[in-house]
Amino acid sequence: AQSVTQLGSHVSVSEGALVLLRCNYSSSVPPYLFWYVQYPNQGLQLLLKYTTGATLVKGINGFEAEFKKSETSFHLTKPSAHMSDAAEYFCAVSDTNTGNQFYFGTGTSLTVIP
Amino acid sequence: NAGVTQTPKFRILKIGQSMTLQCTQDMNHNYMYWYRQDPGMGLKLIYYSVGAGITDKGEVPNGYNVSRSTTEDFPLRLELAAPSQTSVYFCASSYSGSVPYNSPLHFGNGTRLTVT
Repeated sequence: AQSVTQLGSHVSVSEGALVLLRCNYSSSVPPYLFWYVQYPNQGLQLLLKYTTGATLVKGINGFEAEFKKSETSFHLTKPSAHMSDAAEYFCAVSDTNTGNQFYFGTGTSLTVIP
Repeated sequence: NAGVTQTPKFRILKIGQSMTLQCTQDMNHNYMYWYRQDPGMGLKLIYYSVGAGITDKGEVPNGYNVSRSTTEDFPLRLELAAPSQTSVYFCASSYSGSVPYNSPLHFGNGTRLTVT
């Protein structure tokens, strides 16, 4: 079965510092990978996705993620954190074996310190 | 566009009561999903549907039922509510065209349910 591991349930960064949120997945076939963001009392919104092609994917709000097959990773980064980036971030995976299902990580709560 | 709309936003149930969580989408998406979100546990799939008249179980279906009579609506029914069903419930939809599994999910804002 597919699984997603997000290292670090809570991450704190200073405003202006690099944001790095880690995601590792398991999949026996080429995966489709997603990062979602959840603001308080809201649903999840898509940040970016990797399906095929370029392994460096750019998303909204200055975030990007790199698919590394050899490391089975899809870490999310942003060069300079902004206060508005404080939220919960979820990594998710699907593939042709998941039967139309998406598997989510347990989430990482990002705090931005002024 | 309204996107995915869930009602109600909040609900408190007593043990043993029943209720239906409503979900409707106006994007003509064929796939619809119900997830529950518990602290530190991420999202767990309850049920999903690939089109009107077709539903299937996810990871945690026990205690729930669904139906999909139209493309737009995908209600989730809780029978005999239990404290373990206290959670935040999210409905989501996606469009699966010629390449399945790569279309992102569109989420509603959730229903916060407490069973006491």
